[in-house]
Amino acid sequence: DQQVKQNSPSLSVQEGRISILNCDYTNSMFDYFLWYKKYPAEGPTFLISISSIKDKNEDGRFTVFLNKSAKHLSLHIVPSQPGDSAVYFCAASESVRAGSYQLTFGKGTKLSVIP
Amino acid sequence: EPEVTQTPSHQVTQMGQEVILRCVPISNHLYFYWYRQILGQKVEFLVSFYNNEISEKSEIFDDQFSVERPDGSNFTLKIRSTKLEDSAMYFCASSEGGGVYEQYFGPGTRLTVT
Repeated sequence: DQQVKQNSPSLSVQEGRISILNCDYTNSMFDYFLWYKKYPAEGPTFLISISSIKDKNEDGRFTVFLNKSAKHLSLHIVPSQPGDSAVYFCAASESVRAGSYQLTFGKGTKLSVIP
Repeated sequence: EPEVTQTPSHQVTQMGQEVILRCVPISNHLYFYWYRQILGQKVEFLVSFYNNEISEKSEIFDDQFSVERPDGSNFTLKIRSTKLEDSAMYFCASSEGGGVYEQYFGPGTRLTVT
């Protein structure tokens, strides 16, 4: 049961261009969404999050867009840099359900930024 | 910058043996979690811990698993009798609060059961 889906296992982008990573979810109770970046042999590193009361959140080169009606979110990286090459995970939680803050992860998208 | 640390980085054990994976969460964080990632699969939630008790656990977290916060800094995951299918990366995470607080992950412990 894939409640969080990242349908693109990989993405290649030229340095300096925009990277767009997509994520879809099926559980309408999810109201908090996060993006994590993961390098090999390391743990996931928090990048950016968005609450369902917003449709956009920006932090430097990273912007997350949320479309609740479509149950879709995306992460934009502009401009992309070679150091951004990593696996990106989308995660979601039901923040208002007391005591239940588990993150449900997608399978990840491997981003390769080509110099 | 504060970070979550985990030891050991790699643990090899024989089937049926007990293992304890250790974590030191970020010091002012109140919520602690364990996740695992079997090779090639998703990161999966195991258990969350708050105020010295389990607040939520997944179906994976059966009677073979237990968690403990033995002192003010460590958070441990014990697997009583390991199985081959327990081989995975185990990640500890912590967050300042529940709800809309980001979880910060440690580097993971690779558990190999032979």
